[in-house]
Amino acid sequence: SYVLTQTPSVSVAPGQTASITCGGSNIGSKSVSWYQQKPGQAPVLVIYHDSVRPSGIPERFSASNAGNTATLTINRVAAGDEADYYCQVWDIRTDHSEGVFGGGTKVTVL
Amino acid sequence: QVQLVESGGGVVQRGGSLRLSCVASGLPFRAYNMHWVRQAPGKGLEWVAFVRYDGSNELYVDSVKGRFTISRDNSKNTLDLQMNSLIPEDTAVYYCAKDQGGGWHGSFFENWGQGTLVIVSS
Repeated sequence: SYVLTQTPSVSVAPGQTASITCGGSNIGSKSVSWYQQKPGQAPVLVIYHDSVRPSGIPERFSASNAGNTATLTINRVAAGDEADYYCQVWDIRTDHSEGVFGGGTKVTVL
Repeated sequence: QVQLVESGGGVVQRGGSLRLSCVASGLPFRAYNMHWVRQAPGKGLEWVAFVRYDGSNELYVDSVKGRFTISRDNSKNTLDLQMNSLIPEDTAVYYCAKDQGGGWHGSFFENWGQGTLVIVSS
């Protein structure tokens, strides 16, 4: 099955930039989504179709996808951005398809 | 706005069964594919099951195939997950999630419910 690999944790000072990577074989050929999950809450979609922000998601959140790596970037990080972030793709094969999540990255705001 | 409300979680013994339900409001439910996604305590997200908007396609993660059945009732705006032969590894918060469209496969999870906790004791 398809595997997505994320760095387990990232620490960033307020006002700085956080970059969260998601590695997968030829992930650039797939459509990547990103979710933010705060403690005790349900996940929230923050990026879909590689780089599109849903309405209500701040412009500080951006993303890209090419080759074997997708990246979520959070500019001007604020305390409220502290959360777990998950990448996700839909893996389509000839005899099966399934949703696949990365293991998640915990973003800590120092 | 879209609201998804899950129910049916609880404590069950190994080998037992449980049926989860999700009621949707604020959307044309019959137009969208739907999913169940779970999260074991302290762990990451795991996609579990998918049903197409009209019920014409169902997909499952390998670990639940043959044990779980996803279904929907578009007349009642409800999504269900029948879970049989439960094992401790099924212990998780189960989320109902709306897909962004109605394609043959899933894509991404546009809206999520708050989840319902399932605990399988050994």
